[in-house]
Formats: sequence, C-alpha cells, structure tokens
Amino acid sequence: AQKVTQAQTEISVVEKEDVTLDCVYETRDTTYYLFWYKQPPSGELVFLIRRNSFDEQNEISGRYSWNFQKSTSSFNFTITASQVVDSAVYFCALSEPYGNNRLAFGKGNQVVVIP
Amino acid sequence: ETGVTQTPRHLVMGMTNKKSLKCEQHLGHNAMYWYKQSAKKPLELMFVYSLEERVENNSVPSRFSPECPNSSHLFLHLHTLQPEDSALYLCASSQDRQPGGYGYTFGSGTRLTVV
Repeated sequence: AQKVTQAQTEISVVEKEDVTLDCVYETRDTTYYLFWYKQPPSGELVFLIRRNSFDEQNEISGRYSWNFQKSTSSFNFTITASQVVDSAVYFCALSEPYGNNRLAFGKGNQVVVIP
Repeated sequence: ETGVTQTPRHLVMGMTNKKSLKCEQHLGHNAMYWYKQSAKKPLELMFVYSLEERVENNSVPSRFSPECPNSSHLFLHLHTLQPEDSALYLCASSQDRQPGGYGYTFGSGTRLTVV
C-alpha cells in the first residue's frame, strides 16, 4: 500500500502565482515524521522541512509554507509568489521511526514556473 | 556543499563495460542507500546498508552489485548493463537504528547512460 500520495504529477504556473502541492499519507503509528524535499534539475534532493506528528503548527519559511492537517492525514506545501528558480520536482516523504525507520517517498510533483 | 559526495556526476558506458559508482559521506551517519530514478518514474530504493551490513535488497538485478567497505563509503558496481538501466542514481545517508526521523541527506547523483 502506498504510504505517501502526491496526486498531481506536473503543475505549471506563471511566475508570481501561488502553487500548492498536496501530500496525503497513511500510517498506523502515532509517532511519525513528514518531510518535503526539493529536487532541482541538478539532481540532488534538498531537504526543506521536517515535521513530527505531535506538532500540528503550520510553518512559514520565506515564500514557503506548510499546512499539516492530522485529521485528513495531509501535509500540503505552498509556494507563494513563485519564481523560475522554484521549478523542480518536490517530494513528500514519511518516516515511521518505530517501524522500519525508512523514508517512504511520494511520486513527486514536477513544478514548472513559466516566466 | 553537500555532505554526501557522489562520483562521477555523469557516466556513459557500453553494455559490456564494468564501472563503479562511488558515494562518500562524512556526516557520521551509519546507514547508506542507493536509489534509482528513471525519467518520469518515482524514486526506487535499491539497496540499504546499516552499520556496513546490507539490510535491504529490493529485487535488484545481479548486474548491480553494492559494496560498503566502511560506514563512510558506498559503491555500486555495474556490469553488463542494459539501456533501460540509464537513470539518475542517487546515494543517501542517515542516522539509522535510532528513532528520530531525521531524514536522509542526498548526494547530487550520477547520471548514467548505457549505450
């Protein structure tokens, strides 16, 4: 069973528009961690955020914000006022530290920001 | 500068060649991973090493042979590959066997083309 679902495969936006990436996860554990990674064309996956299951506060970091909704098992990511440099693949991931402690990745969202 | 270094960045090899991919981390992590990322496909976990012992081998063909001589180095030996093996090969490391969900640190990947 897929543990992390990122339904939107490719999203195109015009520069300065906002874009929201959906992430829905599945776990039976009460303790877990959620992550977002960015993969620019260079290839490396860059860590963006880590959130534990007990911290439901939303977070904002510059133009990035994350909305954690435990009730709907979602951890959505919004880029505000998108820029061309935001063009990348974004991965959501889940870790169950008392399970096998492996990261389960979603399929990724390809974001294309059009100038 | 990433804490995980992969070499080479690009590799073109014939189907009869033998080559090796190298991954090195100096983060003090004790687990290392090989992922395959083909075009338009999700990340595929190939191998997991924890404390220098292979703990996962996800049905990977024998033409891929991993080696982990110590906790800082991981190799992927390649021989008689097929064109469909062309992909981005990503290495990652983490602090394993320890609840905490700190996620993985990724290298920049080796883009492999089999001709």
